[in-house]
Amino acid sequence: AQKITQTQPGMFVQEKEAVTLDCTYDTSDPSYGLFWYKQPSSGEMIFLIYQGSYDQQNATEGRYSLNFQKARKSANLVISASQLGDSAMYFCAMRENDNAGNMLTFGGGTRLMVKP
Amino acid sequence: KAGVTQTPRYLIKTRGQQVTLSCSPISGHRSVSWYQQTPGQGLQFLFEYFSETQRNKGNFPGRFSGRQFSNSRSEMNVSTLELGDSALYLCASSPGGGGSNEQFFGPGTRLTVL
Repeated sequence: AQKITQTQPGMFVQEKEAVTLDCTYDTSDPSYGLFWYKQPSSGEMIFLIYQGSYDQQNATEGRYSLNFQKARKSANLVISASQLGDSAMYFCAMRENDNAGNMLTFGGGTRLMVKP
Repeated sequence: KAGVTQTPRYLIKTRGQQVTLSCSPISGHRSVSWYQQTPGQGLQFLFEYFSETQRNKGNFPGRFSGRQFSNSRSEMNVSTLELGDSALYLCASSPGGGGSNEQFFGPGTRLTVL
C-alpha cells in the first residue's frame, strides 16, 4: 500500500487565490513527521513546512499552512494568496519513527500552475 | 549560512562505467541522506549517513553505495551503471541526532547514462 498518496497530479489556481493540495498517509507508527516540499523546474527541493504527529496545532509558515487531520490521516497543504512563483511540483513526505533518523517517504507529487 | 552543495551538477556516463557524486551538508549538520528521482519511480530514498555510519538504507541494489567523512561530507558511488540509473540524485542535510524538522536539499546532480 502507498504510504503517501497525493491524488491531484495537476492543479490550476488563479493568482491571489488560495489553493489546497491534498496528502493522505498511512502508518501505524505513533511518532511520525510530515513534510511538504516545493520543487521548481530547476530541480531543487525547497522545504516549506513540517508537522509532527504529536503537535496539537496546525503548522504555519508565512503563506503556507498545513491542515493536519490525524484521525483521517491527512496533511493537506494550504497556500494562501497564490503567486506566479508558486508554480511548481509539490511533494508531501513522511518520516516514520520520528526520532530514528531522517528517511523520508515521498508521495507522487502535485503540479501546481498559477494563472495570471 | 551556505546551503547544501552537490557536485557535479550534471554528468554523462556510459553503461558499465562507475560514478561518484559528492554532497557537502550545511555547516553543523551531521546527517546526509541521498535520494533518487526518476519520472517513473518518483523520489526514492537511497541511504542516510550520520557520524560516518550508515543509519538507514533504502531498497537499492549493492551497486549503490555511499560513505561519509569526518567533516560530514558524503559521497555516493554507483558502479556498473545501467540505463535505468539515469536520474536526478538529491542529497538532504539535517542536524542529525533524532529526527529533525530541518531537512534541506541540495540542487541535485543530474546523471545521464548512455
